[in-house]
Amino acid sequence: GQQLNQSPQSMFIQEGEDVSMNCTSSSIFNTWLWYKQDPGEGPVLLIALYKAGELTSNGRLTAQFGITRKDSFLNISASIPSDVGIYFCAVSITQGGSEKLVFGKGTKLTVNP
Amino acid sequence: EAQVTQNPRYLITVTGKKLTVTCSQNMNHEYMSWYRQDPGLGLRQIYYSMNVEVTDKGDVPEGYKVSRKEKRNFPLILESPSPNQTSLYFCASSFTLAGYEQYFGPGTRLTVT
Repeated sequence: GQQLNQSPQSMFIQEGEDVSMNCTSSSIFNTWLWYKQDPGEGPVLLIALYKAGELTSNGRLTAQFGITRKDSFLNISASIPSDVGIYFCAVSITQGGSEKLVFGKGTKLTVNP
Repeated sequence: EAQVTQNPRYLITVTGKKLTVTCSQNMNHEYMSWYRQDPGLGLRQIYYSMNVEVTDKGDVPEGYKVSRKEKRNFPLILESPSPNQTSLYFCASSFTLAGYEQYFGPGTRLTVT
């Protein structure tokens, strides 16, 4: 199946620091998505990217769709304790006539106050 | 309130005892999906459904069954659970067949002893 390489696996940072994580693949995709999973809850969509080179912001979050269409990154500026959670990248793929999401393995973020 | 609900939230059972995890969405979504989340493996799709009476296998369907008799409900059935099905399970739904802006339920933590 499709493989997304998400890094880093985990991050431990101090409150106020900026964070950067990324996802890469050997395949080309038309959509990159970033989800966040708060502890004890289901993932929630943060940002959706539909166009190569697109840079999109959502508050302190910024994500970019790589120009090669094989990667994406997510930046969080001035982190706060509620940024704690697992961040997943995801892509939409077509398989057997239908489309579905494939997720990266996640980046677990810990923010120390 | 638009939401995806799952029941039960927590379940401890024994090997071989059939169980069903229910999933319901109130957003009139066509696309529904089940995932399992395991440490270090991220989210893996078990089964998905593009509409009523239309279901298909995801990446890890072995040992699971699903049904989609009504648009809002998509139960996950484990006919004979085994310890390797101990996991955190998420149901998700979305408007589009592409399924990428998915709304996730709160999760069901299943332990099979």
